[in-house]
Amino acid sequence: DQQVKQNSPSLSVQEGRISILNCDYTNSMFDYFLWYKKYPAEGPTFLISISSIKDKNEDGRFTVFLNKSAKHLSLHIVPSQPGDSAVYFCAASYQTGANNLFFGTGTRLTVIP
Amino acid sequence: KAGVTQTPRYLIKTRGQQVTLSCSPISGHRSVSWYQQTPGQGLQFLFEYFSETQRNKGNFPGRFSGRQFSNSRSEMNVSTLELGDSALYLCASTSLGGTDTQYFGPGTRLTVL
Repeated sequence: DQQVKQNSPSLSVQEGRISILNCDYTNSMFDYFLWYKKYPAEGPTFLISISSIKDKNEDGRFTVFLNKSAKHLSLHIVPSQPGDSAVYFCAASYQTGANNLFFGTGTRLTVIP
Repeated sequence: KAGVTQTPRYLIKTRGQQVTLSCSPISGHRSVSWYQQTPGQGLQFLFEYFSETQRNKGNFPGRFSGRQFSNSRSEMNVSTLELGDSALYLCASTSLGGTDTQYFGPGTRLTVL
């Protein structure tokens, strides 16, 4: 049973506009959430994370929002750049720093120049 | 600092055979986690090793096993291969076994014929 879901397999956005990637989870025990980016032939690369005690975390062009009541998180990329084109995975864990992560199935983002 | 390395990068096996995959973590990292990535399921956690001991285990059959050596290098073994075992196998290392970001290797692509 998929506890972390990314319902949009793909997303296309014009360069310079905002990209919004969504993620839903079902397990209310999840305490820590992460986003990873993956290019072809490479392993996932950590992007940004958020603890359940926060509702927003920002790092440069990347912002993650967490809505615990809705069990929903989103990643905003502003402005989007062609180099952001990749597959984005959201992940969750039961505690900060835990290494058994539960991943979504990924969203392929294409930023059109 | 060299990243996480995995060998081999590609492997083709037939049903019923067994396979061993290897992962060398970043120097100084003591925790190694393994994941299976398939198109329909995304990344699924297999197990984590820390200081040569299995610390966490995902929901996979006993055909999947692993171990970690004193130099933190890890191997995973899959016995009696099935067609459904075809996947990208990723390993990730962290420095203090639960308090740092996971760094992923490029993965081993296993094809079972």
